[in-house]
Amino acid sequence: GAVVSQHPSRVICKSGTSVKIECRSLDFQATTMFWYRQFPKKSLMLMATSNEGSKATYEQGVEKDKFLINHASLTLSTLTVTSAHPEDSSFYICSAQLASDEQFFGPGTRLTVL
Amino acid sequence: QKEVEQDPGPLSVPEGAIVSLNCTYSNSAFQYFMWYRQYSRKGPELLMYTYSSGNKEDGRFTAQVDKSSKYISLFIRDSQPSDSATYLCAPKAAGNKLTFGGGTRVLVKP
Repeated sequence: GAVVSQHPSRVICKSGTSVKIECRSLDFQATTMFWYRQFPKKSLMLMATSNEGSKATYEQGVEKDKFLINHASLTLSTLTVTSAHPEDSSFYICSAQLASDEQFFGPGTRLTVL
Repeated sequence: QKEVEQDPGPLSVPEGAIVSLNCTYSNSAFQYFMWYRQYSRKGPELLMYTYSSGNKEDGRFTAQVDKSSKYISLFIRDSQPSDSATYLCAPKAAGNKLTFGGGTRVLVKP
């Protein structure tokens, strides 16, 4: 299957700082990427849909100024958690979609805000 | 009522047994049906991807879709301890986002 990478895999930061997470499709181009958040023992919650060259589409209840998404190229999307607070601590996962509608997920980034 | 319902488990089976997982959904616009496996603290891994009603087999995995009853199944033959994970069904309509079930936790005991 297609490979999606995320960086960093784990990040610990102080409250009030901003954190950037990168999502890359390594062996294919993805016009659409997705960002999810997952709490322990829960299913994935879609945060936003990221389209290359255009603004991201955010799900209801997700603050776009808090979670900045940039889809700079067909292989890279970034999620920036701005002014992070402890309640933003979570597991963030991205996915990239093929033209066939298959979605492949990255390994996830564990964010801990102190 | 959730769009996709999935028994959370845990489902505990002995090694070598058949694991039977299923989901029901309510949206008749769903056309694509995916099953993902997720290990703890890892991203989901795509196991099966089907488009139409019927069966699809890949190694020890068989996916079944019955659009008339809106019922999706995944069977794992000859289960191994390494199959212990959470399994997520995720149907979608064309051009739309995935809709995840809550996931079923499976435990295969040696």
